[in-house]
Amino acid sequence: EVHLVESGGGLVQPGKSLRLSCRASGFTFSRYWMHWIRQAPGKGLVWLARISADGNKKTYIDSGTGRFTIFRDNADNMLYFEMHYLRDEDTAVYFCARSSSAWASLDHWGQGTLVTVS
Amino acid sequence: DIVMTQSPDSLAVSLGERATIDCKSSQNLFYSSDNNNYLAWYQQKQGQPPRLLVEWASTRGSGVPDRFSGSGSETDFTLTITSVQAEDVAVYYCHQFYDTPYTFGQGTTLEI
Repeated sequence: EVHLVESGGGLVQPGKSLRLSCRASGFTFSRYWMHWIRQAPGKGLVWLARISADGNKKTYIDSGTGRFTIFRDNADNMLYFEMHYLRDEDTAVYFCARSSSAWASLDHWGQGTLVTVS
Repeated sequence: DIVMTQSPDSLAVSLGERATIDCKSSQNLFYSSDNNNYLAWYQQKQGQPPRLLVEWASTRGSGVPDRFSGSGSETDFTLTITSVQAEDVAVYYCHQFYDTPYTFGQGTTLEI
């Protein structure tokens, strides 16, 4: 069974940095593109970034370029997301999700980890 | 960026009735080289992550009940739930994966 488990969220001060993790199991991690999506309290879904199966291609939402970094460790089945210069508006639940290719739906999502910037 | 606009924002139906949610894209999501519409629908229940319901506009996801169906092409899409059940109370999102940044509709809340 596919499992994606995020961790690393919590309360963080404005201007600080944070690294989120996503542990994958139940599938061949190195064959899937991975994504980060966030959801502010009571709001909708916002896609943030994706990374290719081999980790060589990365795409970010424009507003995240320079502030967000996505990377992965296929040997450990781990996906990461670093955020710098955190702002109040970064407060959200952060989800990791997988897709079978660069242009495919997000077929499995983790439960999410809450980041509160205050 | 491709803008996805859903209607209505909220919908109240009785048990067993049909529910219809529309999604309009600001750009054509049909890719002629593979004959696919790059559009998905997700269901998000309170306190849970989104769950894939439909991909490629009309292909049901794994384990999704057949009362859920997707239709449409290019810029206009519809999610239909025939015979709504109590467990279908959720927020529904359309999503385009035709171009980055991937974008989602604002969500439609289904109530009984």
